[in-house]
Amino acid sequence: KQEVTQIPAALSVPEGENLVLNCSFTDSAIYNLQWFRQDPGKGLTSLLLIQSSQREQTSGRLNASLDKSSGRSTLYIAASQPGDSATYLCAVPSGGGADGLTFGKGTHLIIQP
Amino acid sequence: DTGVSQDPRHKITKRGQNVTFRCDPISEHNRLYWYRQTLGQGPEFLTYFQNEAQLEKSRLLSDRFSAERPKGSFSTLEIQRTEQGDSAMYLCASSFSSGTGDTGELFFGEGSRLTVL
Repeated sequence: KQEVTQIPAALSVPEGENLVLNCSFTDSAIYNLQWFRQDPGKGLTSLLLIQSSQREQTSGRLNASLDKSSGRSTLYIAASQPGDSATYLCAVPSGGGADGLTFGKGTHLIIQP
Repeated sequence: DTGVSQDPRHKITKRGQNVTFRCDPISEHNRLYWYRQTLGQGPEFLTYFQNEAQLEKSRLLSDRFSAERPKGSFSTLEIQRTEQGDSAMYLCASSFSSGTGDTGELFFGEGSRLTVL
């Protein structure tokens, strides 16, 4: 059974800092990995999708890397802004013939102005 | 296309009542997923459709839950005889998938928040 762990569970940093969010998963036979952002009481917004054949993806100030063999992914946020405050979730296919996604519990990020 | 839309956004009901949620996916997407999320947790998979076929159901989906996607477009999730433990955010997502194992990139709606009194 796929399990996803996100570290840290919460993070509070001053505006302008670069930061790294971590995601690990137990079943490395994944097709892709997706990072999402969730604002309080809202749905999830897709940030980045990394295919298993890729090692990283970039979108603006966000960069996500994938090390499939070690079961890890990182989300790097450069020059953080207060508007980046949200919960960040990673998700991977559940595996074992299942076609859903398994999510971590997320990292709750606060950027202090 | 305006993305995935869900209705209603909020529903308050009394224990024992039935509720139904609707999801309209992105039009060219062949897959539609339902997830449930409680406070402080990541979304948990409930079920998904490929076109009109319901291909997988989680063990979380008890007999009181039923989902349909009759014409491969919109979907409904019905909960019968609601219980307080059903209180959660019900999220719908859609994607285009080329085959087994490839979920495609999921796009979520804003969710339907259910409160059972």
